[in-house]
Amino acid sequence: NAGVTQTPKFRVLKTGQSMTLLCAQDMNHEYMYWYRQDPGMGLRLIHYSVGEGTTAKGEVPDGYNVSRLKKQNFLLGLESAAPSQTSVYFCASSYSGTSETYNEQFFGPGTRLTVL
Amino acid sequence: AQSVTQLGSHVSVSEGALVLLRCNYSSSVPPYLFWYVQYPNQGLQLLLKYTSAATLVKGINGFEAEFKKSETSFHLTKPSAHMSDAAEYFCAVRKAAGNKLTFGGGTRVLVKP
Repeated sequence: NAGVTQTPKFRVLKTGQSMTLLCAQDMNHEYMYWYRQDPGMGLRLIHYSVGEGTTAKGEVPDGYNVSRLKKQNFLLGLESAAPSQTSVYFCASSYSGTSETYNEQFFGPGTRLTVL
Repeated sequence: AQSVTQLGSHVSVSEGALVLLRCNYSSSVPPYLFWYVQYPNQGLQLLLKYTSAATLVKGINGFEAEFKKSETSFHLTKPSAHMSDAAEYFCAVRKAAGNKLTFGGGTRVLVKP
């Protein structure tokens, strides 16, 4: 099992350019998440999905869009990149959780994005 | 709303010395609490979790954490640091509903020989 994989590993964009980050998981998880990691701020949730065809906003959704057309894939899009979006982006996946249970999130290796 | 505060963004310890990483949470309901570790250029890996079964939780690599409700704390400890413990550590709390997490700012651990 590859677990959670992310493509690409590194990317440099110019302000205003667009790009898509791809996350794939082979664990048949229902839930998938996109986070950004910035120094001193930990990880902050951008968007998440609780199933194929559904997405929802997290803490910092502005400037990003997502799609979950297939259960195993979760795409994060930047339509017009800004320097403030320079960050390390992590994807994660998990089985579904309820108010009574929690299922561990498994993280990908990250994508380092620089916007000039 | 739940939040997590980690005291100290950087901690330096000598090899063989005690590792103590501090985490305080605010939560209106009994929380689920977690510690994750991030080794250089890697994703996050779960170290341990508290889900109200026992206040002292043992995790991987010799780490443990104690839940103290009166202090709203969940500090992470390891009796004897190894060079391989050099990493960044994140405390996190589960939100009341669903499977989402709120992370603290992280503490980077440097282990000196």
